[in-house]
Amino acid sequence: DTAVSQTPKYLVTQMGNDKSIKCEQNLGHDTMYWYKQDSKKFLKIMFSYNNKELIINETVPNRFSPKSPDKAHLNLHINSLELGDSAVYFCASNHGLLYTFGSGTRLTVV
Amino acid sequence: AQSVAQPEDQVNVAEGNPLTVKCTYSVSGNPYLFWYVQYPNRGLQFLLKYITGDNLVKGSYGFEAEFNKSQTSFHLKKPSALVSDSALYFCAVLLTGANNLFFGTGTRLTVIP
Repeated sequence: DTAVSQTPKYLVTQMGNDKSIKCEQNLGHDTMYWYKQDSKKFLKIMFSYNNKELIINETVPNRFSPKSPDKAHLNLHINSLELGDSAVYFCASNHGLLYTFGSGTRLTVV
Repeated sequence: AQSVAQPEDQVNVAEGNPLTVKCTYSVSGNPYLFWYVQYPNRGLQFLLKYITGDNLVKGSYGFEAEFNKSQTSFHLKKPSALVSDSALYFCAVLLTGANNLFFGTGTRLTVIP
C-alpha cells in the first residue's frame, strides 16, 4: 500500500547509456514531481507535472525528460547519462498542501 | 528573491537535551512552511507544516516548530532529543505562484548518547 513508489531503488549504469526511473502514486493526487538530491544532499526541483501542464526547471538538461502515461505515473527518462547525473532522485506528488515523497532512486553513473 | 535558508549544516545535541534546528525564509505574501526529515537511505518524511493560525505548530515524533513573522523564522524544536532523532532535516517553503516545495540546504542532526 505504498503511497509513492519508485523503481528501481538502485541503478548503476555506464556513461552514455539511456535509462528510465519509474514512479507511481496511488493517492489520486493531481500533480507529480521529480527532485534531484546531489552529493551534498541539496534537494532541487526538476519537474512538476499535472494533466495539463509540465513545468521544467530551466537548469535541467534536455537529456532529462518526464513521461506521464497517466495521472498516476510520472517516469523520468535520461539520455546519454553523464557522471554528474549521479544522485538520488525523488518522486513526489501532492494534493493541496499534502506532499508525499517516494523513497528515492540512487543513480550511479560509472 | 524567494528562498529558505538553514544556517547550520550540522547540529549536535546530547540525548535528553532540547534541540533546535534553524530555518529562515524570504517569501512574498504569506508563507507556507514545512519541515521534513530524511533518515539514512530513506525518503523524505513529513513532520509538520505552518499555514496560518497558531504560531506554534506540533508535528510528528514530538517535534514542534515556531513561526515567527518578525524574524522570518520557522525553527524546529523538540524538548528532549532521542538518539533515533539523528537524521537530515529539511525546511521547505511553498513559493508564491509555484506548486512545488522549495527546500533549504538541510541540517544534519546528531544526537549523542
